Amino acid sequence: KQEVTQIPAALSVPEGENLVLNCSFTDSAIYNLQWFRQDPGKGLTSLLLIQSSQREQTSGRLNASLDKSSGRSTLYIAASQPGDSATYLCAVSGVKTSYDKVIFGPGTSLSVIP
Amino acid sequence: NAGVMQNPRHLVRRRGQEARLRCSPVKGHSHVYWYRQLPEEGLKFMVYLQKENIIDESGMPKERFSAEFPKEGPSILRIQQVVRGDSAAYFCASSPTPGQGLGNTIYFGEGSWLTVV
Repeated sequence: KQEVTQIPAALSVPEGENLVLNCSFTDSAIYNLQWFRQDPGKGLTSLLLIQSSQREQTSGRLNASLDKSSGRSTLYIAASQPGDSATYLCAVSGVKTSYDKVIFGPGTSLSVIP
Repeated sequence: NAGVMQNPRHLVRRRGQEARLRCSPVKGHSHVYWYRQLPEEGLKFMVYLQKENIIDESGMPKERFSAEFPKEGPSILRIQQVVRGDSAAYFCASSPTPGQGLGNTIYFGEGSWLTVV
């Protein structure tokens, strides 16, 4: 059974710092991994999607890496800004079933202090 | 969010009433998923449906909850006799039929927030 964990649960940093969010999954047989952002009381915004054959994806100040064999992904945020404050969710899609049920981690709550 | 539409966005129900949440998937998508996010918790899978079929309902509570995805119209998540513990955000997602371009990429709606008073 796939389980996804995220460390840390919460993070508070001063504006301008670079930071790393961690995601671990127990079953390396994944189809893809996505990082989402969720603002309080809002829906999910997809940030980056990494296919299982890829090792990283970049979008602006965001870089996500994937190490399938070790069951880990990291989300790197460069030069953090107060507007980055949100909860970041990691989610994996499996391949062992005939469909791609997505399993989410519990999220990391990020607060960037001006 | 690539066009997954959920309504209502916010719903208030008294204990014992019924709640119906609707989800219109991205045009052309025939796979729909429902997730629930309880306060201070992550998103948990509830049910996966294809048109007129429930494929996996392993995450659905055994009682009071049901889901459908008819041939025509939106997918419906129905909660009968709501209790305060049902208060949560309910997210719908859709994906295209496997093999069509984006494959297993899933698109999420903006959620429906249910409050039971």
